[in-house]
Amino acid sequence: GAGVSQSPSNKVTEKGKDVELRCDPISGHTALYWYRQSLGQGLEFLIYFQGNSAPDKSGLPSDRFSAERTGGSVSTLTIQRTQQEDSAVYLCASSFGLVPYNEQFFGPGTRLTVL
Amino acid sequence: QKEVEQNSGPLSVPEGAIASLNCTYSDRVSQSFFWYRQYSGKSPELIMSIYSNGDKEDGRFTAQLNKASQYVSLLIRDSQPSDSATYLCAVNYDYKLSFGAGTTVTVRA
Repeated sequence: GAGVSQSPSNKVTEKGKDVELRCDPISGHTALYWYRQSLGQGLEFLIYFQGNSAPDKSGLPSDRFSAERTGGSVSTLTIQRTQQEDSAVYLCASSFGLVPYNEQFFGPGTRLTVL
Repeated sequence: QKEVEQNSGPLSVPEGAIASLNCTYSDRVSQSFFWYRQYSGKSPELIMSIYSNGDKEDGRFTAQLNKASQYVSLLIRDSQPSDSATYLCAVNYDYKLSFGAGTTVTVRA
């Protein structure tokens, strides 16, 4: 079946602009996660959703970052007033239910470059 | 985030040999442990999950878990050039995963 999809695959933007990144999880997966991976850095947790609810937003780096999920499916990560340090690969993952006993599957990622 | 430490690598092994990857974690209450493989320029791909102490085998991969020592490992038997990648250890904390920095494996033909 179809895996996690993300769009766009690449995004180049100018400092100060807003960007929206989209994630479409595997059908039937109720949990959705956002991570980012900077060059040479590990995977950094940002936020997760169970259904449309985001119980833990502790990983969001600043109040410029926000995310929402509608209809228990598609999620959008929005970065306002982008900065150069926001340049990274943004990865979305989904799982049938929440960890610990559910495996997360990753999408291909969105590579964000802030000039 | 809780700490997940992996042997730093890079690890170079000849084709057909066993590659051994190690991971330690800081939180005793973690219940699930995962190994992901990440090829250069690609996203992580799940290759193993383990929840109970002991060994779990899947093809050429064996994951080993020791909760008392807070240690999880991955063995790759009969290593192939296609196994050349970065391997990420992931540990659950609450309802999210913390990842190690990864170990890069190169299999020499």
